[in-house]
Amino acid sequence: QAVVTQEPSLTVSPGGTVILTCGSSTGPVTSDHYPNWFQQKPGQAPRTLIFDTSQKWSWTPARFSGSLLGGKAALTLSGAQPDDEADYYCLLSYSDAKVFGGGTNLTVL
Amino acid sequence: QVQLQQSGPGLVKPSQTLSLTCGISGDSVSSNSGAWNWIRQSPSRGLEWLGRTFYRSKWYNEYAASVRGRITVNPDTSKNQFSLQLNSMTSEDTAVYYCATRYLDSWSQGALVTVSS
Repeated sequence: QAVVTQEPSLTVSPGGTVILTCGSSTGPVTSDHYPNWFQQKPGQAPRTLIFDTSQKWSWTPARFSGSLLGGKAALTLSGAQPDDEADYYCLLSYSDAKVFGGGTNLTVL
Repeated sequence: QVQLQQSGPGLVKPSQTLSLTCGISGDSVSSNSGAWNWIRQSPSRGLEWLGRTFYRSKWYNEYAASVRGRITVNPDTSKNQFSLQLNSMTSEDTAVYYCATRYLDSWSQGALVTVSS
């Protein structure tokens, strides 16, 4: 089974920009992995922010965007707000299974 | 938006089988564009996708390598729901279990399943 890797923790200043990445042990992440990004706050179920690399849901704040960057999937947060402090998970799709990354704990400080 | 209602036991004995069901409202389990997922989360294993079932002229299943051989996900068209069965439960399977839609845009409320004698 593939291993999906994320930064364990990142810190961003309020109003700042941060990029979270998502890599695959099988090689470069491409659009064929249909990268998804989720936000999870304590005591809540994960909430999807991005699907199919860069597609947003109606509830996704405009400050979040998804892309492919240097062989990885990337989630960019531009203009961080205190409410963005949370765990972020990526999910990659393989031929017959999906695999979550270990998550990034984002601190806004 | 699709809503999912999960049900099942909160406590399972070691070596026994976990059975959970997920009721669907707002869509059909037999939809040709749907897919129905099971996911779990624990402090030790993080978020873990377990498997899914979907219908594309016939039924298909996909399972995570970590549980393949122990897991079955089945649709129940008469009740518009789908189920998870996980055999040979151990303490490693203690987790919060969720069901979710195709794009994981709708999740159930989640339920803690503890494996203990």
